[in-house]
Amino acid sequence: GAGVSQSPSNKVTEKGKDVELRCDPISGHTALYWYRQSLGQGLEFLIYFQGNSAPDKSGLPSDRFSAERTGGSVSTLTIQRTQQEDSAVYLCASSTRLAGLDTQYFGPGTRLTVL
Amino acid sequence: GNSVTQMEGPVTLSEEAFLTINCTYTATGYPSLFWYVQYPGEGLQLLLKATKADDKGSNKGFEATYRKETTSFHLEKGSVQVSDSAVYFCALTTGANSKLTFGKGITLSVRP
Repeated sequence: GAGVSQSPSNKVTEKGKDVELRCDPISGHTALYWYRQSLGQGLEFLIYFQGNSAPDKSGLPSDRFSAERTGGSVSTLTIQRTQQEDSAVYLCASSTRLAGLDTQYFGPGTRLTVL
Repeated sequence: GNSVTQMEGPVTLSEEAFLTINCTYTATGYPSLFWYVQYPGEGLQLLLKATKADDKGSNKGFEATYRKETTSFHLEKGSVQVSDSAVYFCALTTGANSKLTFGKGITLSVRP
């Protein structure tokens, strides 16, 4: 079946512009996660959705970052007024349930470059 | 809070060599432990996992045992292949939201 998909695969933007990154989870997966992978910081958690609610936003690095999920499916991560330190690969993952036993399946990521 | 420490890399081995990648952790609560792998040009994928003490996760010839007494989850393989060349991440989850905390990752290169 289809895995987690993300778009765009690559995004180059200028400092100060807003960007939107999209994640399509595996159908039926209620839990959705965003992570960021950068050279300096490794893999970091950003935000967790259960259904359309985000009970854990603790990893969002600043108020320029926001995310939403609609219909218990697609999620969008928005970065406003992008900065060069936002350059990273943004990964989305989904899993079937709340419990930690379930595997998180990762998408291929969106590589964001801020010039 | 939670943290994962992996041995420093990169690691270069000859084909058929024995592999050990060390991983230790600190966690609030009782963690589940994971090894994820990222092959060149591909996305992150689960290699193996263990959810309680003394459990052994295994897949593709790789093994790791959950050692609560030493807070470790070292990855081993008896005979590596060129196709095992990848970046390996140790990770854990605790709590209700199951967010993953990752180690810094280690790059493994296997030469023929």
